[in-house]
Amino acid sequence: SQQGEEDPQALSIQEGENATMNCSYKTSINNLQWYRQNSGRGLVHLILIRSNEREKHSGRLRVTLDTSKKSSSLLITASRAADTASYFCATDTGRRALTFGSGTRLQVQP
Amino acid sequence: NAGVTQTPKFRVLKTGQSMTLLCAQDMNHEYMYWYRQDPGMGLRLIHYSVGEGTTAKGEVPDGYNVSRLKKQNFLLGLESAAPSQTSVYFCASVPGAALNTGELFFGEGSRLTVL
Repeated sequence: SQQGEEDPQALSIQEGENATMNCSYKTSINNLQWYRQNSGRGLVHLILIRSNEREKHSGRLRVTLDTSKKSSSLLITASRAADTASYFCATDTGRRALTFGSGTRLQVQP
Repeated sequence: NAGVTQTPKFRVLKTGQSMTLLCAQDMNHEYMYWYRQDPGMGLRLIHYSVGEGTTAKGEVPDGYNVSRLKKQNFLLGLESAAPSQTSVYFCASVPGAALNTGELFFGEGSRLTVL
């Protein structure tokens, strides 16, 4: 079974709106990472948050981590059509490999 | 700097045929990974390697073999392809000790269809 599960599976918003996607996981982690995948391309790293951090920012991205609830959220502010992609969370549980969730497909309408 | 390069990008096989996917990275990374991506399933780890000459099984290793004879290359083999192995395969690498702090670098994927 997947370590990380994203919610929602799909999200459609208008340009300029904020997009929030959530990730839940099952076991304790060293860190949690978010990746983006454009259609037909490889995954690209967006941001990493360590288990002792609660919030992190990078440009228009804001990530939160709640280890007590085993959940994380990714917020993209002021979305653009170019943000249309799939977004995946991935957890590092110390097993030398990341475990990925099933992803959220984001569609930003111009 | 090419990063992570996968070959081939597309391949169609018949059931029972064999093939090898090649992953090459020019970043001197220690760790390398093979994942498969199926619709609605996210990425699942097939095999990985933490250094030259070492390999380990991931979540879905059955039907696949791997080799890491050179640090920069990680090969994924299908000895007898099955339709269930139709998927998009991604290779990734990371410096190694940086796994706890760093990012995975991905190739562009290899789309395999088994008829």
